[in-house]
Amino acid sequence: AQKITQTQPGMFVQEKEAVTLDCTYDTSDPSYGLFWYKQPSSGEMIFLIYQGSYDQQNATEGRYSLNFQKARKSANLVISASQLGDSAMYFCAMREGRNQGGKLIFGQGTELSVKP
Amino acid sequence: GAVVSQHPSRVICKSGTSVKIECRSLDFQATTMFWYRQFPKKSLMLMATSNEGSKATYEQGVEKDKFLINHASLTLSTLTVTSAHPEDSSFYICSATTVEGANEQYFGPGTRLTVT
Repeated sequence: AQKITQTQPGMFVQEKEAVTLDCTYDTSDPSYGLFWYKQPSSGEMIFLIYQGSYDQQNATEGRYSLNFQKARKSANLVISASQLGDSAMYFCAMREGRNQGGKLIFGQGTELSVKP
Repeated sequence: GAVVSQHPSRVICKSGTSVKIECRSLDFQATTMFWYRQFPKKSLMLMATSNEGSKATYEQGVEKDKFLINHASLTLSTLTVTSAHPEDSSFYICSATTVEGANEQYFGPGTRLTVT
């Protein structure tokens, strides 16, 4: 069974507008972490934001915020004021368990294109 | 932030030969390193988890004798693709976590392997 699901293979957004990238997850472990990474065409993985399962508030990092809905098991990424440089692949990932060195399971990815 | 390097960034080899990819943590000690494989426009698939001084833990379906992993020190892990074939052509990415167990995994820039 897919543990991390990103249902949007591709998304378009107008420059300066906000966009939401969907991510749902499945785990029976009460302790887990959720991550979002950006991968531009160069291939490097750029860490964007992290949400722990016990965090009470939604994580925010600059223009990035994570809409964490625990009961729905969703962790959508919201990018505000899109920029042309935001065009890239975006991956949602989950780490299960308390071991902070644990492996990440990645979703299928969403390719975001920002239009001028 | 912590920096992870990979060498080489690109490699082309002939079918039947072996190729070694290095992953180094430049400014921190990595308790654990991970090796991923990624096909174009696809997700990152974890191949193995590597801990310094011990045998790597391979994911189901990954051939241990094909993909040799050595984690000789807290700053270096190597992946050797033995007897490479064209189907081994892919983008290989390593990541590392710190001794302090931060929530973030630090990714290398990736190595693009082409087997002719």
